Order: sequence, then C-alpha cells, then structure tokens
Amino acid sequence: DILMTQSPDSLAVSLGERATINCKSSQGVLHFSMHRNSLAWYQQKPGQPPRLLIYWASTRESGVPERFSGSGSGTDFTLTISSLQAEDVAVYYCQQYHSTPYTFGQGTRLEL
Amino acid sequence: EVQLVESGGALVKPGGSLRLSCVGSGFSFSDAWMNWFRQAPGRGLEWVGQIKSMTDGGATDSAAPVKGRFTISRDDSKDTLYLQMSSLKTEDTGVYYCARDNWGSDYWGQGTLVTVSS
Repeated sequence: DILMTQSPDSLAVSLGERATINCKSSQGVLHFSMHRNSLAWYQQKPGQPPRLLIYWASTRESGVPERFSGSGSGTDFTLTISSLQAEDVAVYYCQQYHSTPYTFGQGTRLEL
Repeated sequence: EVQLVESGGALVKPGGSLRLSCVGSGFSFSDAWMNWFRQAPGRGLEWVGQIKSMTDGGATDSAAPVKGRFTISRDDSKDTLYLQMSSLKTEDTGVYYCARDNWGSDYWGQGTLVTVSS
C-alpha cells in the first residue's frame, strides 16, 4: 500500500496570509500513460462530505477559487492557499488514486 | 445537477449485517466507476472499495480490513450502488460515503451513519 503522510497536523494562519500543506507519498504516483501524478486534495468541513479541490496534483476542480493551488512531483506535493479566507477553515486531505487501495494522508486541520 | 444519496445506515450489533444503498442522478451512472469510503468518528478518511462500470468489466476491489465481509455491487437499471456488510465489528462504525471515481472522487454523497454496538 502507498502510505501518505501530511505535514503539519495542524496549522494556524491569519486572514489574508498564505497557508501551505505538504504531502509525501511512500512511492511515486505517476500515471504513466497520462504523464501526470495521481494525487488529489480534498477539503472537509464539519458535518460535510469531502470536497475535491485539486486533481492530477495541480488541476483545480471546477468552481474552486483560484487561491487554491497544488504543486509537486515524484513523492512530494503541496497545497497552497494564497490568501486565507474565513471559509477556508477546514481539514484538508491528500489522496493517491494511482492504485488501490486508495490511501489518504492523516489530514491537516487549518485554523485561524 | 449531480447527486448521490446514501441510505441504509443503522445501529447494528457486532456480528450483524447491513446493506447500504447509494442512488445517483444527474450523470451517466452506468458509465461511472464508483467508490465507497468511510470515516470513523473524529478520524480521517478511509477507502472501503470500488466497482468498475460494467462496460469496463464490473470488477470490484476492497480494502483489506473489509475483504471477505463487505461486498460491493451495482444495479445500473436503478442507478444504484450497494454495499453489503456482514460480520460487522465495532471498528466498522462510522459515516459511509459513496463517491464517483473520476481522477480522484469528484462527487460525494452526504453519507449514512453505521453504528456497530451491543
């Protein structure tokens, strides 16, 4: 199984400041035919299902604000929120969909 | 509008069985690969299993903790995904979500709560 490890576990950021969450996979998640990394980021607020933010490591899902961006390659990936808004307070998860069992990072709690 | 609606969650005793359903609308359900995920109270997300579209063979796959106890199936005539759970354990307690598989999971249901307790 591919182990996903996020850092930090929790993060406090002021409104308007940048938030950066890291995710490391235990092995590469490159989709050979697509030449892209099979890495997604989700946002989950209390009492709600996860919301897909980023797929292929850096492609923003439709409707996701531009302040959210994903980057990385190989085994190291990053989710960046360029200017934190109050509504961004949530838990964020990375997930590899390269191979089953799909696996998630432990989550990063983002607070103001 | 894409919608996924789960149902069937309940309180069940250890060793019991339960079947969850997930009805999809607003997309071509028969063409979709579908996943089940779960989330124990206060914990992170866990993949439970997947079923491919019948066009792609309809194969299923499941996570090690549920293999041999949980079965995923689909009825495309009813746009419905199922999760048959048996030999339930207390550690199976949590919210169960269905989600469409699409380079990550792009649409999720609201979840249904399964509580395994004596």
